[in-house]
Amino acid sequence: DIQMTQSPSTLSASVGDRVTITCRASQSISSWLAWYQQKPGKAPKLLIYKASSLESGVPSRFSGSGSGTEFTLTISSLQPDDFTTYYCQQYHSYPWTFGQGTKVEIK
Amino acid sequence: EVQLVESGGGLVQPGRSLRLSCAASGFTFDDYAMHWVRQAPGKGLEWVSGINWNSGSIGQADSVKGRFTISRDNAKNSLYLQMNSLRAEDTALYYCAKVGSSGRGFDDWGQGTLVTVSS
Repeated sequence: DIQMTQSPSTLSASVGDRVTITCRASQSISSWLAWYQQKPGKAPKLLIYKASSLESGVPSRFSGSGSGTEFTLTISSLQPDDFTTYYCQQYHSYPWTFGQGTKVEIK
Repeated sequence: EVQLVESGGGLVQPGRSLRLSCAASGFTFDDYAMHWVRQAPGKGLEWVSGINWNSGSIGQADSVKGRFTISRDNAKNSLYLQMNSLRAEDTALYYCAKVGSSGRGFDDWGQGTLVTVSS
């Protein structure tokens, strides 16, 4: 099974900061990686698919990069609405797997 | 507008069974793969099981293999999860999720149905 390791688990930042979350796969997943945002009490929301494609309607301050085993989600300028939890997910092969999540907190 | 509405959750004793349903609308159901994802209280997301458009390809997490069965009825625009031999660690909010086109991940999610396994 492919393990997804996200870091950091928690990130403290301020409005306007540039932040980066990393996701590492235990083996190559090509570009079959998605990033989701989840707010408390809500279902996850797709932000990025195929490692770097921005989902329709998602603000351009979100971007993704990487391929193979190393991936990043970058928020170029944190907005108040962005302080929540983010997950990566590989969909290269079954069983599909999620990272453990990164909570972005207000510093 | 895509709608995914889960139902069938509730309180169940360990070792018993439960069947979850997901009613889909707003899109051509049999064009898309569908999955179940769960989230234990206060924990992260865990992929449970997935099924392709014609039920020809099915995947399951190791944690549910041999106990849970995913299925779909394209005529009824519905996805199901039969859960047998339930354990306390299966307690979670279960989401139904649609796989998007063009290599997207899960582009639409339901609101979830809560399963609580307890004596």
